[in-house]
Amino acid sequence: GENVEQHPSTLSVQEGDSAVIKCTYSDSASNYFPWYKQELGKRPQLIIDIRSNVGEKKDQRIAVTLNKTAKHFSLHITETQPEDSAVYFCAAFAGSARQLTFGSGTQLTVLP
Amino acid sequence: KAGVTQTPRYLIKTRGQQVTLSCSPISGHRSVSWYQQTPGQGLQFLFEYFSETQRNKGNFPGRFSGRQFSNSRSEMNVSTLELGDSALYLCASSQGTGGPEGTQYFGPGTRLLVL
Repeated sequence: GENVEQHPSTLSVQEGDSAVIKCTYSDSASNYFPWYKQELGKRPQLIIDIRSNVGEKKDQRIAVTLNKTAKHFSLHITETQPEDSAVYFCAAFAGSARQLTFGSGTQLTVLP
Repeated sequence: KAGVTQTPRYLIKTRGQQVTLSCSPISGHRSVSWYQQTPGQGLQFLFEYFSETQRNKGNFPGRFSGRQFSNSRSEMNVSTLELGDSALYLCASSQGTGGPEGTQYFGPGTRLLVL
């Protein structure tokens, strides 16, 4: 089945700096890659997603890149703010398996 | 539209008991997936239902089961509870399969504590 690895597990940045979280996946049939943000005690919320026919997608301060050949995708957050502090999960969806496989999460802390 | 809702939000049970959790998807969504979230194992897929049929199941023992009703509401049941079943149980709904055809939206979760 699909295996998603996520790095780093913890990340601390100064307010205003950029943050990058990286994920790799194993199933070449995976074709959809969402990113979720989970604040303490709250539900995971979709922040951005990318499909396998696209290499990059941006939404204001957030961007995701996908390298299908290398089977890895990354989340980039620019001009970080304290409210960006949360756990971020990447995920990969393989249509053949019909399930979303999640990475282990990254605890992002933005220091004021 | 109202978001995904889950009841109850908190549960305390003892070993050996059984529990039923409920999930109401976003109106119009026909797919419901269930996940177990624990600090050690992260988010793990339990099963997915679409139009009252279980289409996929994760690597969990048979004590974990579920069903979906004609109005797309779903329930999951855990029998003979073990201490290790303590977790946050999340459901997510989507219009279709949960992939490109339909992004998954999560409910607030049910936090289960087994004593």
